[in-house]
Amino acid sequence: DTGVSQDPRHKITKRGQNVTFRCDPISEHNRLYWYRQTLGQGPEFLTYFQNEAQLEKSRLLSDRFSAERPKGSFSTLEIQRTEQGDSAMYLCASSLEGRVGYTFGSGTRLTVV
Amino acid sequence: TQLLEQSPQFLSIQEGENLTVYCNSSSVFSSLQWYRQEPGEGPVLLVTVVTGGEVKKLKRLTFQFGDARKDSSLHITAAQPGDTGLYLCAGYSSGSARQLTFGSGTQLTVLP
Repeated sequence: DTGVSQDPRHKITKRGQNVTFRCDPISEHNRLYWYRQTLGQGPEFLTYFQNEAQLEKSRLLSDRFSAERPKGSFSTLEIQRTEQGDSAMYLCASSLEGRVGYTFGSGTRLTVV
Repeated sequence: TQLLEQSPQFLSIQEGENLTVYCNSSSVFSSLQWYRQEPGEGPVLLVTVVTGGEVKKLKRLTFQFGDARKDSSLHITAAQPGDTGLYLCAGYSSGSARQLTFGSGTQLTVLP
């Protein structure tokens, strides 16, 4: 069990550029979640996958955000035409169906300048 | 929207002191979880409480779930600098057994 891995750990991008983050969950976990966390706040839910199916999306997830989990293993989160308000920590978590509690990755810190 | 309010927002204490942080809601939760988060890292699950009135202990940490399952508390005895971090409570939203709602956290600093 190598835990949940996220890449990159840090990303600085210019406003208007596209960025993509990757998450590798714990291999036997079939559920994968993306959350966003800004300074001084708790994580906010973005989206959830069960295997390869995206089952829930938050209203926070605007049209500029898209997430995929093509083979039910790793996931990507893409943000198009980034804005300064997108600056945050993007957290990925995974869990096993029927088990309570998530295992979080270390997150990707995005700074839009 | 089910909200979880945590208090205090910030807490700075001396090593050896005891403290309690609170997590409150007007909604009933099927379970509540407590996480600790250190700077630059993701939250780490500490405990899950499921039954109203339940008390769980993890070394110097004592977690309690309110009888009505609307609130929870975390008590730390003889705090140590290693306890420093952001303590988050979280519960599952109504209508979704999978989407965790987090409180805004209590930032604890334990000074040596």
